[in-house]
Amino acid sequence: NAGVMQNPRHLVRRRGQEARLRCSPVKGHSHVYWYRQLPEEGLKFMVYLQKENIIDESGMPKERFSAEFPKEGPSILRIQQVVRGDSAAYFCASSPQGLAGATTDTQYFGPGTRLTVL
Amino acid sequence: AQSVTQPDIHITVSEGASLELRCNYSYGATPYLFWYVQSPGQGLQLLLKYFSGDTLVQGIKGFEAEFKRSQSSFNLRKPSVHWSDAAEYFCAVGGGNAGNMLTFGGGTRLMVKP
Repeated sequence: NAGVMQNPRHLVRRRGQEARLRCSPVKGHSHVYWYRQLPEEGLKFMVYLQKENIIDESGMPKERFSAEFPKEGPSILRIQQVVRGDSAAYFCASSPQGLAGATTDTQYFGPGTRLTVL
Repeated sequence: AQSVTQPDIHITVSEGASLELRCNYSYGATPYLFWYVQSPGQGLQLLLKYFSGDTLVQGIKGFEAEFKRSQSSFNLRKPSVHWSDAAEYFCAVGGGNAGNMLTFGGGTRLMVKP
């Protein structure tokens, strides 16, 4: 069974370029979450998506960041006009259904994409 | 708003010694609690979780954690540490009224002396 897949594992961009991070959830999982981990810090929630819907984007910066989870294909986290402060590890997680109201669901994490902005 | 505090940023123990990593949370309802482990350059692996029922939960790799509502704690323990346990450990809370996001603590980095 394949777990959560993320690619690329490492991404280097110059300031002002765009970064696209891809996440393929565990087969059968319809819920995807994106988290950001700054150096020497814990993970911070960014966005929660279901197929074709953004459910909670309360942790997403208001500008330059967007996320989607189309009906077909992986979830994409897109960062436009990257700046040095965007350098971080970005983790995707998936679950069969959401935690709220559920009793057994767990988020399974991918290996992360480490973004470096030069 | 929920929050998680891991008071110890770094801990060093000798191989074979016992281990306890502390986690305190702030949450308005019955929490769902998790411990994850992250090896250098890797993603997060779930060690164990608490949703309800028995407050002492067993996880993988010989880890266990105890939920203490009165102390708002969910400390992680292992009776005998192995060198391969050296990693960063994250406590997280989520679910219920807070929705589906997980809130993580800042992590505790464990080093194991031979």
